[in-house]
Amino acid sequence: KNQVEQSPQSLIILEGKNCTLQCNYTVSPFSNLRWYKQDTGRGPVSLTIMTFSENTKSNGRYTATLDADTKQSSLHITASQLSDSASYICVEAGKLIFGQGTELSVKP
Amino acid sequence: DVKVTQSSRYLVKRTGEKVFLECVQDMDHENMFWYRQDPGLGLRLIYFSYDVKMKEKGDIPEGYSVSREKKERFSLILESASTNQTSMYLCASSEEQHYYGYTFGSGTRLTVV
Repeated sequence: KNQVEQSPQSLIILEGKNCTLQCNYTVSPFSNLRWYKQDTGRGPVSLTIMTFSENTKSNGRYTATLDADTKQSSLHITASQLSDSASYICVEAGKLIFGQGTELSVKP
Repeated sequence: DVKVTQSSRYLVKRTGEKVFLECVQDMDHENMFWYRQDPGLGLRLIYFSYDVKMKEKGDIPEGYSVSREKKERFSLILESASTNQTSMYLCASSEEQHYYGYTFGSGTRLTVV
């Protein structure tokens, strides 16, 4: 069964700290994997896009990694800011399989 | 940048009303999608369209219909709104190959009372 699973469901961190969000996918054939950030009440906005040949992709303080062998991806946020509070969604965009998202809350 | 515009941010409708949600994209994308997003359920695909006048059912099409008369516009229609259709509705568009751009609109928060 094609699936994308994210962990943790929710996360609370202090401003300035780093954090890592996880995404495991079982989608075949795999096309590309995207991370989106969704602010409350808004549509998702793309952070990174990776194909199977790409191991890492950065977008400012966001760095995504992809391990095609273990079918795992992670999103690392460095030096978190209050504005990073959002839901982060992992998507296998070839078959449009969405994860449930990780709700990140950054506290002052 | 691709822009996907949804006509309303917030909408309140009565049970039984016919509701139209409009979505317009400005980058000549072939594919357009309608999702609903509910807490704990994530995004679920309602319908998608890969060309003008073409449509395909997604995972939860019941109670919805769509219209794509022009390439840039994809409308979601609730024929007779019900309270269980209260949700966040998200439109998205992409080029023919998903990799080359998949962009969401800002969403419409629909409340059916």
